[in-house]
Amino acid sequence: QKEVEQNSGPLSVPEGAIASLNCTYSDRGSQSFFWYRQYSGKSPELIMSIYSNGDKEDGRFTAQLNKASQYVSLLIRDSQPSDSATYLCAVNVNYGQNFVFGPGTRLSVLP
Amino acid sequence: GAVVSQHPSWVICKSGTSVKIECRSLDFQATTMFWYRQFPKQSLMLMATSNEGSKATYEQGVEKDKFLINHASLTLSTLTVTSAHPEDSSFYICSAREGTGVYGYTFGSGTRLTVV
Repeated sequence: QKEVEQNSGPLSVPEGAIASLNCTYSDRGSQSFFWYRQYSGKSPELIMSIYSNGDKEDGRFTAQLNKASQYVSLLIRDSQPSDSATYLCAVNVNYGQNFVFGPGTRLSVLP
Repeated sequence: GAVVSQHPSWVICKSGTSVKIECRSLDFQATTMFWYRQFPKQSLMLMATSNEGSKATYEQGVEKDKFLINHASLTLSTLTVTSAHPEDSSFYICSAREGTGVYGYTFGSGTRLTVV
């Protein structure tokens, strides 16, 4: 089983809608979870981090974590065409010794 | 915030030559840096963990004699692709974290390597 899994997409949503990106992980000892955005040809940039169960909001972005279900998600409200990118879920595994990326979900926001 | 500078941003080299990529933490000290490779439409794959003052730790399947890593100071790690071949053409990205906690990593801008 892969350590971090995401749907590869593409996920297409109309402008103004809510985009929902999901990620599951296998290491129950994981404590830190991150969402990165990567535009084509560019390196990833950190947009959200979450460490505790529940929701964490930052502007149009909300990260949700459920450690019991080993599930983390990212919601993007009022999606804009500029949000079109690949979103990478990253999880620390082995009690912080390693940092693993999921394969990424490609999001396309249609004008 | 933490800034990681990577240079060059792109390079074209002939098959059989070597290429050096630099990764610098500009406003913090990084005892550990990471090197990733990303092929088109694929996710980041960790190649190696670069440790200041000691040997790098390579992931399974990564040839340490081909991808030489040097982390001589707390702000600089270099990756040298030796005897490059067209199949080494990829996007190479370094990252570093500030401090020793399990916080997010900052990425360099990446280096697009094309071997012809």
